[in-house]
Amino acid sequence: GDSVTQMEGPVTLSEEAFLTINCTYTATGYPSLFWYVQYPGEGLQLLLKATKADDKGSNKGFEATYRKETTSFHLEKGSVQVSDSAVYFCASNTGNQFYFGTGTSLTVIP
Amino acid sequence: DAGITQSPRHKVTETGTPVTLRCHQTENHRYMYWYRQDPGHGLRLIHYSYGVKDTDKGEVSDGYSVSRSKTEDFLLTLESATSSQTSVYFCAISGTGGLNTGELFFGEGSRLTVL
Repeated sequence: GDSVTQMEGPVTLSEEAFLTINCTYTATGYPSLFWYVQYPGEGLQLLLKATKADDKGSNKGFEATYRKETTSFHLEKGSVQVSDSAVYFCASNTGNQFYFGTGTSLTVIP
Repeated sequence: DAGITQSPRHKVTETGTPVTLRCHQTENHRYMYWYRQDPGHGLRLIHYSYGVKDTDKGEVSDGYSVSRSKTEDFLLTLESATSSQTSVYFCAISGTGGLNTGELFFGEGSRLTVL
C-alpha cells in the first residue's frame, strides 16, 4: 500500500542555517504530495504542495520538488528562523486517502 | 481559517467508560476524517466519511466507531475506552477528498487521557 517515510528528528539548527528534511513515498498511482506544519498546541496546516512530477511547491521560503524518479519530496529552506520551530509532516494523497509520515521536529536556536 | 471545531479539547476518563468526540465544520465539506497522533507514529487514520451516513474504516479503526447524521458533524465514539487509546485526536475536512488535489484542513485537536 501507499506510505510516506521521512527523516527522523529531532533536528536542531542555528538561525540562518540551511534546512533539509528528507521525504520519500511509495504509491500505487500518481499521488499529490504535501508538507504540513504543526506548531505547538495546534493542528496541522498546509505548508506547500505539488500535484505532479517536477512540480515545485513553495511557501514562506520553504520549497519542495516532486521527484518521480527518486520518489522523493524533500523540504528545503535556505535560512531558517526561530519562528520556523515546529513539527513538519510529509504526506501523500491518492484518491480520498491521505498518508502521513511520522513527523520531524525542528528547533531553531538564536 | 477553515471552520472546524473539536470538542472537548481535553478529556480525562477511566478505562471502560464510553467517550464521544465531536467534530463540527461550517465549510459544508463532503469529506471528514478522524486521525490519532502518537509519538513515533505520526498521524494514523481511524475512520473517514464521504457523505452523510457514509463512512469507512481507516488503518486503526478497532475500538472506534463513527457517525455522521449531518454534513457538519462527525462523531468519534470509543465504546469502552482503554489506556492504549490515550492520544491526541484530530479531525480534518476536505472539499474534494483529495480529488483534484484538495488539501486537508485540521481542527485543533482533542487530547484524551484514559486512566
